Amino acid sequence: GAVVSQHPSRVICKSGTSVKIECRSLDFQATTMFWYRQFPKKSLMLMATSNEGSKATYEQGVEKDKFLINHASLTLSTLTVTSAHPEDSSFYICSARPIAGGRTDTQYFGPGTRLTVL
Amino acid sequence: AQTVTQSQPEMSVQEAETVTLSCTYDTSESNYYLFWYKQPPSRQMILVIRQEAYKQQNATENRFSVNFQKAAKSFSLKISDSQLGDTAMYFCAFMMLGNKLVFGAGTILRVKS
Repeated sequence: GAVVSQHPSRVICKSGTSVKIECRSLDFQATTMFWYRQFPKKSLMLMATSNEGSKATYEQGVEKDKFLINHASLTLSTLTVTSAHPEDSSFYICSARPIAGGRTDTQYFGPGTRLTVL
Repeated sequence: AQTVTQSQPEMSVQEAETVTLSCTYDTSESNYYLFWYKQPPSRQMILVIRQEAYKQQNATENRFSVNFQKAAKSFSLKISDSQLGDTAMYFCAFMMLGNKLVFGAGTILRVKS
């Protein structure tokens, strides 16, 4: 139980294009999902908290117009990297916190998406 | 603001031996949760163990156990009978109820045969 998927697992795009990453909770509902960025051998850096039916909350220093988050349902949140540049290349991870039926105080993580911007 | 400190960047252990990973945190709150997550080379974050601060009993999950010292704000992870599959980066994390996770810098653990 408590499985989170991410799609795609790996994406390569050209500079200036936009990329959308999906995060789905497969066997539970989540009003809150989280988006992280991780550099090699480093800790996870929280980018934003995604709230179903409302605007995301971004961490300080994260450009909300560059990293668009949509949480349209209780099982799906998307992160769109707009006008991507090479410095946006990174590993992006989402997590979700169950509403009920599981440990509502625990975040479950997706497998991550490796983004490479050429 | 809460902070989490993992003072061991890297550790190694022989297969079948026991290893302890350290974690300290700083908070003025009394109700919170603590977690250990494992990130193997696949980079999938896996929940290893969780602890509610109001519970005095240390959490255990098979070969994994914690030593939770609330007054000292310490939350170490003990891995018994280490296996090659335990090789991973381990993150200690703190969370207040309904809030976001605060991660430590991580400890890379290598299990040697």
